[in-house]
Amino acid sequence: GQQVMQIPQYQHVQEGEDFTTYCNSSTTLSNIQWYKQRPGGHPVFLIQLVKSGEVKKQKRLTFQFGEAKKNSSLHITATQTTDVGTYFCAGYTGTASKLTFGTGTRLQVTL
Amino acid sequence: DAGITQSPRHKVTETGTPVTLRCHQTENHRYMYWYRQDPGHGLRLIHYSYGVKDTDKGEVSDGYSVSRSKTEDFLLTLESATSSQTSVYFCAISGNLPGNTIYFGEGSWLTVV
Repeated sequence: GQQVMQIPQYQHVQEGEDFTTYCNSSTTLSNIQWYKQRPGGHPVFLIQLVKSGEVKKQKRLTFQFGEAKKNSSLHITATQTTDVGTYFCAGYTGTASKLTFGTGTRLQVTL
Repeated sequence: DAGITQSPRHKVTETGTPVTLRCHQTENHRYMYWYRQDPGHGLRLIHYSYGVKDTDKGEVSDGYSVSRSKTEDFLLTLESATSSQTSVYFCAISGNLPGNTIYFGEGSWLTVV
């Protein structure tokens, strides 16, 4: 079945440092979505990428979708303590109705 | 936040007992999902529904059953709870087309002792 892996599993940065998480799928994705889950909370949708090579920005967050549509990345510039949480990528394959989530990257930011 | 209510939010139950978790939505969305979240495993799909009385299995469906008799309600039943089913369970919904964004409920914390 489809597998979606994320690296790293955990990263601890100091406030102001940059952060990147990488997402890799075993199969080609029709789109990729990113979610953020604060500690004790539920996952919340951040963004969706659909096109091969697509790049989208949300303030300090930059999202990329690979040319082969099998990988993606999320980069945060100058992290803040409000960025703390677990970031998940998730992808659909073809016309599947099931969204497969990556294993997640937990980000810890300290002052 | 999307109109999704999960109940109960917290439950402790004994091994071997049946447990039902309820998800109620007010968005009239077609798709509903049950995920479980465990450390090191991320979010894993248990079952999903694509319409009233239309359900299908996810990647970790053993030991679970679901029912959807109305658009707004999706029930997850643990037929005979085991300690390995101790987890956080999230209900989620998405719109009428495959590939739509998923919106999550606040989660149900289940402990099986």
